[in-house]
Formats: sequence, C-alpha cells, structure tokens
Amino acid sequence: EIVLTQSPGTLSLSPGESATLSCRASQSVSSSYLAWYQQKPGQAPRLLIYGAASRATGIPDRFSGSGSGTDFTLTISRLEPEDFAVYYCQQYGRSSHTFGGGTKVEIK
Amino acid sequence: EVQLEQSGAEVKKPGESLKISCQGSGYTFTNYWIAWVRQMPGKGLEFMGILYPGDSDARYSPSFEGQVTISVDKSISTAYLQWSSLKASDTGVYYCARVRWSRFDAFDVWGQGTMVTVSP
Repeated sequence: EIVLTQSPGTLSLSPGESATLSCRASQSVSSSYLAWYQQKPGQAPRLLIYGAASRATGIPDRFSGSGSGTDFTLTISRLEPEDFAVYYCQQYGRSSHTFGGGTKVEIK
Repeated sequence: EVQLEQSGAEVKKPGESLKISCQGSGYTFTNYWIAWVRQMPGKGLEFMGILYPGDSDARYSPSFEGQVTISVDKSISTAYLQWSSLKASDTGVYYCARVRWSRFDAFDVWGQGTMVTVSP
C-alpha cells in the first residue's frame, strides 16, 4: 500500500500570503493519479485537484497542483479567509486509494 | 444537481448491527463507482472500500476487509455500508463519495456524512 506523508502538519499564514503544501508518496504514483481535497470543520471534503494538476469544476485558479512520481505540491496563492482549512492529498492508482494525514492551514 | 444524501446520525451499543445509506440523485447512479470513507474524531480520512452499482462489484481496503459490508439497491439509487457487530472504535463520521470517472479516480461528489457513535 502506498503511504502518503503530508508536510507541514500545520501552516500558519496571513490572508494574502501564499501557501505551499507537500505530499510525498512511499512509491511512485501511477500516471499522476493524485488528488487534493479541502475540508472545513463540520463539512465533507471538497475535491480541488485531480490528476495532480487539473482543477475540479468551480475551483478558483489560485489553487494549483504540480508534481509527479513521489513528490506533489498544492499551492494556494493569495490566501482568502475561506481557504483556511485542512487539506488532504489522495492517491488512486496501484489498485487502491489512500489519503495523506492532512495539512492544516490556519490564520496567523 | 448531482447529490449524495446520507442517512442520519446513529447511536448504538457495542455488539449491535447497523446499516447506513447513501442515495444518489441528479446523475445515472449505476454508471459511477461509490466509495466509503471513514473519519474518526479529530482524525484524517481513511478509504474503506468501493462499489460499482451497475453490477454490485465491491472492493475493500485491507484495513476494512471483513469488518464491514458494502452493498447497493440500484432500484432506489442507494448504496449501503453495514456492520454486523459494532465496536467502540467504529465511532466516527462516514462519508460516501462518487468516483469521478473510472474505479481509479478522484472523488468528485461527497455526501454530507453520517455520524456513528458506539458507546455502552
């Protein structure tokens, strides 16, 4: 099973700043089958990015994904107040699906 | 509008059985895989298993194989997650989610979650 390690655990930033979130896989992720989700307290997760770099429907272009192989990044440029949340990466290749442990983006 | 509507919160005792549901609407239910995801209190997301409503093909994460059963009633566009004997460690929020395209794809639509509390 592929293990995903997200870093940092918590990111403290101010609105308007940029956030860089990392997701590292224990093995190469097939065909960039990597997604990112946002979860706010008391809400279900929301798909942001799939295929490592494609934005899901309705996702603002300040969210961008990159990477391949074992190293992936979610970048949020110009943080808005509604962007403070927990972010999870997920791989969906290699016959299973696994999630990373999450990165919390909090207001500094 | 594509939606997944989950059944309401449950409070159960250890050893009891439970079946929770997830009803799809706004799309052809039988054409998309449905996944189940657990979130224990204050913790992250865990993939439990996945089912194709068209032929009831169900696959499980090794961590959940034998612990739960995923099923479907396609006549009412509803997927189920069930336990035969609950444990306190089953406490958490359970989400169903639609898989975006093929079995190996991201989860693009999520249910609102069902809170399951297992306590003596």
